[in-house]
Amino acid sequence: NAGVMQNPRHLVRRRGQEARLRCSPMKGHSHVYWYRQLPEEGLKFMVYLQKENIIDESGMPKERFSAEFPKEGPSILRIQQVVRGDSAAYFCASSPRSRAYEQYFGPGTRLTVT
Amino acid sequence: AQSVTQPDIHITVSEGASLELRCNYSYGATPYLFWYVQSPGQGLQLLLKYFSGDTLVQGIKGFEAEFKRSQSSFNLRKPSVHWSDAAEYFCAVGEAGGGADGLTFGKGTHLIIQP
Repeated sequence: NAGVMQNPRHLVRRRGQEARLRCSPMKGHSHVYWYRQLPEEGLKFMVYLQKENIIDESGMPKERFSAEFPKEGPSILRIQQVVRGDSAAYFCASSPRSRAYEQYFGPGTRLTVT
Repeated sequence: AQSVTQPDIHITVSEGASLELRCNYSYGATPYLFWYVQSPGQGLQLLLKYFSGDTLVQGIKGFEAEFKRSQSSFNLRKPSVHWSDAAEYFCAVGEAGGGADGLTFGKGTHLIIQP
């Protein structure tokens, strides 16, 4: 049973470009969460999605960030017009249930903005 | 709002010695509690979880944790550490009552194992 998959593992973007991060949840999991980890910090919740629905985006920056989880295919975290402060590790987690049930994390995408 | 405090940023332990990593949380009701481990450049692996019931929970890799409601703590322990336990350890809390959906993480404790 494959775990949570994220790609790319490393992504380098110049300021002003767009970053697209992909996450495929574990088989049988329909709940996806995105977190951001800044250096020397713990993970910060960004957004929680179910298929075709954003359930909770309370941790998402209001501008330039968006997320989706279509009926088919992986969940996408999109960052438009990246800035240096967006450099971080972005982790996706999936869960078989909602409401802070145990979450299984992918290996992360490390975004570097130059 | 819920919060998690891991008071120790770094801990150094000799191989074979016992380990205790501290975690305190702030939350009004009974939370869901988790410990995760992160090796360098890797994702997070779930070590153990507490939802309800027995306050002493067993996890993988020989770890255990004890939920103490009176102290708002969920400390992680291991009787004898191995060099492979060197990693970053994160305590996390979730809202059992169906509030926020994401987990709230502490800032982590970096565990160093001395030979």
